[in-house]
Amino acid sequence: SQQGEEDPQALSIQEGENATMNCSYKTSINNLQWYRQNSGRGLVHLILIRSNEREKHSGRLRVTLDTSKKSSSLLITASRAADTASYFCATATDTGGFKTIFGAGTRLFVKA
Amino acid sequence: EPEVTQTPSHQVTQMGQEVILRCVPISNHLYFYWYRQILGQKVEFLVSFYNNEISEKSEIFDDQFSVERPDGSNFTLKIRSTKLEDSAMYFCASSEYPGGWDTDTQYFGPGTRLTVL
Repeated sequence: SQQGEEDPQALSIQEGENATMNCSYKTSINNLQWYRQNSGRGLVHLILIRSNEREKHSGRLRVTLDTSKKSSSLLITASRAADTASYFCATATDTGGFKTIFGAGTRLFVKA
Repeated sequence: EPEVTQTPSHQVTQMGQEVILRCVPISNHLYFYWYRQILGQKVEFLVSFYNNEISEKSEIFDDQFSVERPDGSNFTLKIRSTKLEDSAMYFCASSEYPGGWDTDTQYFGPGTRLTVL
């Protein structure tokens, strides 16, 4: 699998439900970030979790990081129709330069 | 709130032509990036730029591509001889700290949709 792969590829839920997306990666990282992309638009940074952190919260978002399993999860609680978007994890590795690798993303559809 | 801007929003060009995509990063940022996203696919890293030189580039960033910071505000991506497969959305990003630092946050522009005919 490639660096930064999310699952599921697509997720459809009802408004008010929680949405959980997972991301796996292969190499060691300095941090992991989650971004949101509305259809055809730019990426919006949601949250960054450092490699020495295990959990982080921001509003309705909760991110976990398990470096031993090389995986992260993004939980959106009490989802809204406006949360409908694609969600990407991105890993920043120290390769001597500055490089961020994005996963393929999870398409979330929240039904009103 | 400061933001990254990109021009044009949509560029249509003929195969073999040169295109220049422009970006204005956030003013106090020092690290700049270009990414591309082919329709329906993931965002792919192209190049990072710091201190007037390329910091890292991907295998996609071949000799047809170049980047430049011609003045204190603009950051450009040039594709010398476009191919059909260069059709994609191109995103510019900037950050205050280097990608990979634990405080890094990259701010993305809205993108330029490049269509090569």
